Amino acid sequence: GNSVTQMEGPVTLSEEAFLTINCTYTATGYPSLFWYVQYPGEGLQLLLKATKADDKGSNKGFEATYRKETTSFHLEKGSVQVSDSAVYFCALGGGRGATNKLIFGTGTLLAVQP
Amino acid sequence: EPEVTQTPSHQVTQMGQEVILRCVPISNHLYFYWYRQILGQKVEFLVSFYNNEISEKSEIFDDQFSVERPDGSNFTLKIRSTKLEDSAMYFCASSRQGQGSEAFFGQGTRLTVV
Repeated sequence: GNSVTQMEGPVTLSEEAFLTINCTYTATGYPSLFWYVQYPGEGLQLLLKATKADDKGSNKGFEATYRKETTSFHLEKGSVQVSDSAVYFCALGGGRGATNKLIFGTGTLLAVQP
Repeated sequence: EPEVTQTPSHQVTQMGQEVILRCVPISNHLYFYWYRQILGQKVEFLVSFYNNEISEKSEIFDDQFSVERPDGSNFTLKIRSTKLEDSAMYFCASSRQGQGSEAFFGQGTRLTVV
């Protein structure tokens, strides 16, 4: 079945460092891919999405490119801020034979230090 | 900006008691979901609901769980006889379209079973 594998955390960075959080997926067909963010004590917020191969999703300085050849959707940001400290979830939806639910990775805790 | 709202934000209940978690999805959305997140773990799908019926449920969603859309705005999750292992954050979500589309999440209800 469909699945998402995300890099283990926590990831600890200094402010203004470059961020990469790896995400790979297994799915048949052409799923949509998402990154959600969960700030401390809050719910899940959609950060960005991509619906087809080679699409790049972007928001708030974060980017991720849907790479079908490597089945990846890695999250990147050029210069992180303390306010980016949160848990980041990669998620997959749709694809051949799929249903409406989202399948989430395990989440990656990002801690940015001043 | 429209949002999914959940009540209560925190509920403490005794083992064996019934609880009802409430959600108001975004008004023009057609698909509704419940997910749960046990502390520090991944976000797990429970159930999806469309056109006034369950469209999919996970193996977690056993006979102790039920969902209902009692009127045009509310969407509820009932747990008939709570167990200690039901302690988790429960997220309601809604989406305008089905397969492959993004879901918007509420802030969650933290359920503590004692």
